[in-house]
Amino acid sequence: DTEVTQTPKHLVMGMTNKKSLKCEQHMGHRAMYWYKQKAKKPPELMFVYSYEKLSINESVPSRFSPECPNSSLLNLHLHALQPEDSALYLCASSQDVAQGGEKLFFGSGTQLSVL
Amino acid sequence: AQSVTQPDIHITVSEGASLELRCNYSYGATPYLFWYVQSPGQGLQLLLKYFSGDTLVQGIKGFEAEFKRSQSSFNLRKPSVHWSDAAEYFCAVGALWGGATNKLIFGTGTLLAVQP
Repeated sequence: DTEVTQTPKHLVMGMTNKKSLKCEQHMGHRAMYWYKQKAKKPPELMFVYSYEKLSINESVPSRFSPECPNSSLLNLHLHALQPEDSALYLCASSQDVAQGGEKLFFGSGTQLSVL
Repeated sequence: AQSVTQPDIHITVSEGASLELRCNYSYGATPYLFWYVQSPGQGLQLLLKYFSGDTLVQGIKGFEAEFKRSQSSFNLRKPSVHWSDAAEYFCAVGALWGGATNKLIFGTGTLLAVQP
């Protein structure tokens, strides 16, 4: 199994809603990532869990809250989002994080629309 | 600071023609370089990567890329393009983040259209 599975594929939410994005991999990878991709832009790193330890991109607002229940699962909790948060949210995993040269396996993403 | 530049936003080629997508990077040390491809509404798939050694790297789907340190370039090539190659292509450099964590810095992407 070389897949990263993301659910849901599409999500529409209001600015007062609370929702969660889910990501799962069964490749035994020890690093998992959340990327945000706006339309016609490259992906931007939001969070990294490496051996279940969190690294944060400090420019990411606190209305995004990651959670890593175990090494195979990664969640992104969303609360009080803004319309400008509408984007494709990509989960990825890698075997390790050493040296910056790891191959990332990406899920197909959750297309989020905030109304 | 590390950065990646893809000067071509949009390229159109005819099916069967050759392809070259340009990528220039800025990185203080020997870079880890990648090419990823993304179909609409999908995640990214790794085409190939360069760490060290032979500067001509072979990837999946018939793609190759050449690392040229003197030009800070890592251009992607394919000798004969197929209609299914139409997609967005991202060049990326791998870097350490916070001293220990892997981070990919992407270029802005090149959108490839293939004419029949």
